[in-house]
Amino acid sequence: AQSVAQPEDQVNVAEGNPLTVKCTYSVSGNPYLFWYVQYPNRGLQFLLKYITGDNLVKGSYGFEAEFNKSQTSFHLKKPSALVSDSALYFCAVRGGSYIPTFGRGTSLIVHP
Amino acid sequence: DTAVSQTPKYLVTQMGNDKSIKCEQNLGHDTMYWYKQDSKKFLKIMFSYNNKELIINETVPNRFSPKSPDKAHLNLHINSLELGDSAVYFCASSQARSGYEQYFGPGTRLTVT
Repeated sequence: AQSVAQPEDQVNVAEGNPLTVKCTYSVSGNPYLFWYVQYPNRGLQFLLKYITGDNLVKGSYGFEAEFNKSQTSFHLKKPSALVSDSALYFCAVRGGSYIPTFGRGTSLIVHP
Repeated sequence: DTAVSQTPKYLVTQMGNDKSIKCEQNLGHDTMYWYKQDSKKFLKIMFSYNNKELIINETVPNRFSPKSPDKAHLNLHINSLELGDSAVYFCASSQARSGYEQYFGPGTRLTVT
């Protein structure tokens, strides 16, 4: 069965510092990997995806993620955090079954 | 222009009632989904339709029945509502050829009293 692990319930970072939100996955076949962001009382918004090609993918709002096949990881990164980045972040995977599986979410808090 | 819309946004009802939530997407996508997000923000897929055909039907009580009248619409009907059905329900859509990223509606907050 495919699964996604987001090991941190919460990540705290100071504004202007780099941020990383971790994600590891388990899937049969080639993975399709995604990051989504959810602001309070809103639906999820797509940030970026990896399907094939360059291991470093760039997405919306200055976010990027690095696909690491050997470590089965897809960590979300941003060089300089903004207070407005504070939100709930979800990693998701879909594999051969085409059923999308989401992680439990990581709350990112950026302090001024 | 709203890409994925849901109605109603809020739904408060009593146990035992039957209710429906409607979803529409104007993105031209071929696949639509229903998700349930509980109070701990855990997101679980319930159903998925591709071109009006049911392709994903996860472990969901029979009281929940999806209906897709056409590619742009996916409705969710819930019979005999229970307290545990209280959650936020999200509709989403995606397109296979663009990589399956999903676009979510604003959610319907269902409260069963």
